Amino acid sequence: ETGVTQTPRHLVMGMTNKKSLKCEQHLGHNAMYWYKQSAKKPLELMFVYSLEERVENNSVPSRFSPECPNSSHLFLHLHTLQPEDSALYLCASSQEASGGEETQYFGPGTRLLVL
Amino acid sequence: EDQVTQSPEALRLQEGESSSLNCSYTVSGLRGLFWYRQDPGKGPEFLFTLYSAGEEKEKERLKATLTKKESFLHITAPKPEDSATYLCAVFQGAQKLVFGQGTRLTINP
Repeated sequence: ETGVTQTPRHLVMGMTNKKSLKCEQHLGHNAMYWYKQSAKKPLELMFVYSLEERVENNSVPSRFSPECPNSSHLFLHLHTLQPEDSALYLCASSQEASGGEETQYFGPGTRLLVL
Repeated sequence: EDQVTQSPEALRLQEGESSSLNCSYTVSGLRGLFWYRQDPGKGPEFLFTLYSAGEEKEKERLKATLTKKESFLHITAPKPEDSATYLCAVFQGAQKLVFGQGTRLTINP
């Protein structure tokens, strides 16, 4: 266990549904991240939060909406998704928020299927 | 634009057969190169960080090395439990990691 948990582990949703992914880190870190991992493609950074402020939005469509209520929790709200959004969504955290080369620790991921 | 390329895409070895995985990168001013291991259906597990050319790090049967243009992950006498996808990433600044596509390693008993 890395100290980063994600729920749910698996999610199936229709294109008109609204759902949320949850991530919690128990490492006392200050930065949290959302990544998307699709088959045959490298991990794609979606969002970065540093001390609960969003510092990076990597050209992600507005149907993905992140929320970071505190430094331990991160959510990804999903609405009107497309089938091509089906992927493994990974949460990660790192110690510092200063932009240093801190190791990122990943959760187990949420496997999302959009029908 | 920063790029990370891993080769081979897939590698199949017999148990005990040593080999190396390659990660080549183009980045201005490398500030860190990371190796992760990922098992199917799981998140990446951190292995090593390398910061400067000539640096080496070891963990059990794995050794990571770094030059100015590439990194190698050497696996010595691998076991079936070493089967996984190995990911390389470079630090781009502002907490951004750029990942390669990974090498899928299979060790046959």
